[in-house]
Amino acid sequence: GAGVSQSPSNKVTEKGKDVELRCDPISGHTALYWYRQRLGQGLEFLIYFQGNSAPDKSGLPSDRFSAERTGESVSTLTIQRTQQEDSAVYLCASSLYPTYEQYFGPGTRLTVT
Amino acid sequence: ELKVEQNPLFLSMQEGKNYTIYCNYSTTSDRLYWYRQDPGKSLESLFVLLSNGAVKQEGRLMASLDTKARLSTLHITAAVHDLSATYFCAVDMYSGGGADGLTFGKGTHLIIQP
Repeated sequence: GAGVSQSPSNKVTEKGKDVELRCDPISGHTALYWYRQRLGQGLEFLIYFQGNSAPDKSGLPSDRFSAERTGESVSTLTIQRTQQEDSAVYLCASSLYPTYEQYFGPGTRLTVT
Repeated sequence: ELKVEQNPLFLSMQEGKNYTIYCNYSTTSDRLYWYRQDPGKSLESLFVLLSNGAVKQEGRLMASLDTKARLSTLHITAAVHDLSATYFCAVDMYSGGGADGLTFGKGTHLIIQP
């Protein structure tokens, strides 16, 4: 079956612009996660959605970052007034009870110039 | 705050040798995961470890979990070049039957030379 998909695969933007990143989870997966991976680094958790519960936003680095999810489907991560330190690969994952094994998408490489 | 430490962070080894990667974490957690990442690629799930004493094996890789010691190991047997990659362990931040985001180690960059 189809895996997690993300778009765009690459995004180059100027400092100060807003960007929107999209994630389509695996069909039927109730949980969805966003992570950030800076060059040569591990992954940083950003936000977690589970069904209709309030999302866990504890990993969002600043109020310039926000995310939404429509039901148990598509999610968008929005970064406002982008800064050069926002340059990274943004990875989305989805999972299902009971193992909550996370399946990752291919990522969006964001470059802020 | 949950912390996850991997060691070594860099490992160069010869084909045919055995080695172990260690993953320590700081607080109680229900689930531990191992992932593989090839250069420029996303993460591939290798193992899900859900209970104390869990052991999983796939080919030349074997992972184990000791929740009392808060330690997981990834053992490589008779390494082959195709296993060259970066390996991450990750721990679920939630303990209590639910789930949350994962806290990742910094990764072990593994190079296997002929």
